[in-house]
Amino acid sequence: DIQMTQSPSSLSASVGDRVTITCRASQGITNYLAWFQQKPGKAPKSLIYAASSLQSGVPSKFSGSGSGTDFTLTISSLQPEDFATYYCQQYNSYPYTFGQGTKLEIK
Amino acid sequence: QITLEESGPTLVKPTQTLTLTCTFSGFSLSTSGVGVGWIRQPPGKALEWLALIYWNDDKRYSPSLKSRVTITKDTSKNQVVLTMTNMDPVDTATYYCAHLLVGTTFDNWGQGTLVTVSS
Repeated sequence: DIQMTQSPSSLSASVGDRVTITCRASQGITNYLAWFQQKPGKAPKSLIYAASSLQSGVPSKFSGSGSGTDFTLTISSLQPEDFATYYCQQYNSYPYTFGQGTKLEIK
Repeated sequence: QITLEESGPTLVKPTQTLTLTCTFSGFSLSTSGVGVGWIRQPPGKALEWLALIYWNDDKRYSPSLKSRVTITKDTSKNQVVLTMTNMDPVDTATYYCAHLLVGTTFDNWGQGTLVTVSS
């Protein structure tokens, strides 16, 4: 199985900040990497697929980059609604695997 | 507009078999390239992929659960069914179904259903 490791596990930031979350795969996954946002009690929401492609309707403040084993999710100009838990997921090979999550909290 | 909704028991006893149904609209599982997957999330923990099924009846399972999980589809009813045998308290989780296309990943999710395993 491909292990996905996110860092940090938690992050405190202020409204207006720009933050970056990292996801590392235990082996190369080309660009088969997705990012999801999850708010408490809600289903995950797809933000980014193919490492850097924005899902329809997702604001451009979210951006993704990377290929191979190292990936990042950047959120610019944080707003209150952006504080949530973020997960990466590889779909290069089965079994699909998720990172452990990064909880973004308000400072 | 794609929508998915999970249904099934909220409480099962240890050793029982869980059967969950995902009823969807806005797409057809007879369309080439379409798939539906199941993902679960124990309370306070991360997401875990369980299984998925494609339009051509290709099925994929998590190796850690393969002996316990079966996924099937009923194209005429727009439903996908997940069965999990020999349930244990560690299987307590919110179970989600989600839509995907071949070569991509989960783009639309149901709201999830919490299943508690307890005697």
